[in-house]
Amino acid sequence: AQSVTQLGSHVSVSEGALVLLRCNYSSSVPPYLFWYVQYPNQGLQLLLKYTSAATLVKGINGFEAEFKKSETSFHLTKPSAHMSDAAEYFCAVRTGTASKLTFGTGTRLQVTL
Amino acid sequence: NAGVTQTPKFRILKIGQSMTLQCTQDMNHNYMYWYRQDPGMGLKLIYYSVGAGITDKGEVPNGYNVSRSTTEDFPLRLELAAPSQTSVYFCASSMDRGQTEAFFGQGTRLTVV
Repeated sequence: AQSVTQLGSHVSVSEGALVLLRCNYSSSVPPYLFWYVQYPNQGLQLLLKYTSAATLVKGINGFEAEFKKSETSFHLTKPSAHMSDAAEYFCAVRTGTASKLTFGTGTRLQVTL
Repeated sequence: NAGVTQTPKFRILKIGQSMTLQCTQDMNHNYMYWYRQDPGMGLKLIYYSVGAGITDKGEVPNGYNVSRSTTEDFPLRLELAAPSQTSVYFCASSMDRGQTEAFFGQGTRLTVV
């Protein structure tokens, strides 16, 4: 079985501060991991994905995530938050032989002045 | 390039009514998915399909039906609408399983009254 857990349903940071959104996965086989972003009243857009080619993955809009097998984590970071980063972020997992893409419950990021 | 298109964008149904949510993709993807999104619950998989003529249940299939007669289309049918089906519905598609990401439509906001 595969699953992801996102710690913190709401995260608030100041503009210019570090963004850290947490994701832990559970999988009996090597996983493929994804981060998606959802802006208000829109669909989900891919930020980045881990495919085992490199443990540090860079995505769009300055976001990156590091795959840590020992910690079963794939946390999303951005060095300096911008107001436009305010959105909901979802971590997702799929194993190589699975057809299903399983999502976490999401983290809403608020960016304040 | 249209990607994944969902219609309608909004709909209000009365209890007991039926409707079909339409989803079409123009990327020649084999895999298609229907998710529902409820506040604080993330995305739950309703049904998915790995190719024309093949469908399977996800986590929350009760009250829904699907069909996949062509590669492009994957409609979701609600036979007897209930208030518990008030949600935002997302259709998604991907080329394959494993590391390939899913592309999402803009969603259908359904209210059952």
